[in-house]
Amino acid sequence: EAGVTQFPSHSVIEKGQTVTLRCDPISGHDNLYWYRRVMGKEIKFLLHFVKESKQDESGMPNNRFLAERTGGTYSTLKVQPAELEDSGVYFCASSQGTSLGNEQFFGPGTRLTVL
Amino acid sequence: GEDVEQSLFLSVREGDSSVINCTYTDSSSTYLYWYKQEPGAGLQLLTYIFSNMDMKQDQRLTVLLNKKDKHLSLRIADTQTGDSAIYFCAEGYSSASKIIFGSGTRLSIRP
Repeated sequence: EAGVTQFPSHSVIEKGQTVTLRCDPISGHDNLYWYRRVMGKEIKFLLHFVKESKQDESGMPNNRFLAERTGGTYSTLKVQPAELEDSGVYFCASSQGTSLGNEQFFGPGTRLTVL
Repeated sequence: GEDVEQSLFLSVREGDSSVINCTYTDSSSTYLYWYKQEPGAGLQLLTYIFSNMDMKQDQRLTVLLNKKDKHLSLRIADTQTGDSAIYFCAEGYSSASKIIFGSGTRLSIRP
């Protein structure tokens, strides 16, 4: 069974440009999460989808970030326009949400560098 | 508030035990987790413990929870080179809620 996949693995863009990150969750997982780790600090929650609906978007830093999950399958996270402080590793995770312990399965992350 | 803290680095000799410590602030958390991240890979759930438990053992891993002091630890017995990774302490509140992570502890193994 394929795990959570993310594309691209690495993106280098200039300040002011737009970048779109993609996440494909494990098939059948209704819950999809976005997190990011900036400058080696803690991994911070961004938002949580249940199917195509945003369940919790309390971690989204500002309106330059837009997440979508059309059809409740894959998700995209768009940063427009990108700023220097957006550099970091963006992780996606998915879960069934019904099992004890809420095991969220993480993708390898997308490393975003904004110059 | 939600805050999880852990030391940034730990170096141990191969074969010794590693103990990674973590403190958290939110006493309402239901689950406490340990995730492992190897170079170039995603986060892997190592183990978790319910907040009403004191200890959980899984092969070489022992998790201790002191709920009064809000202190969580992960002990890895007989540490091997393959244990080199970043270990993240984390807490969660329900079966599908967000997870609050610490900054991660980088474990390095000396020969």
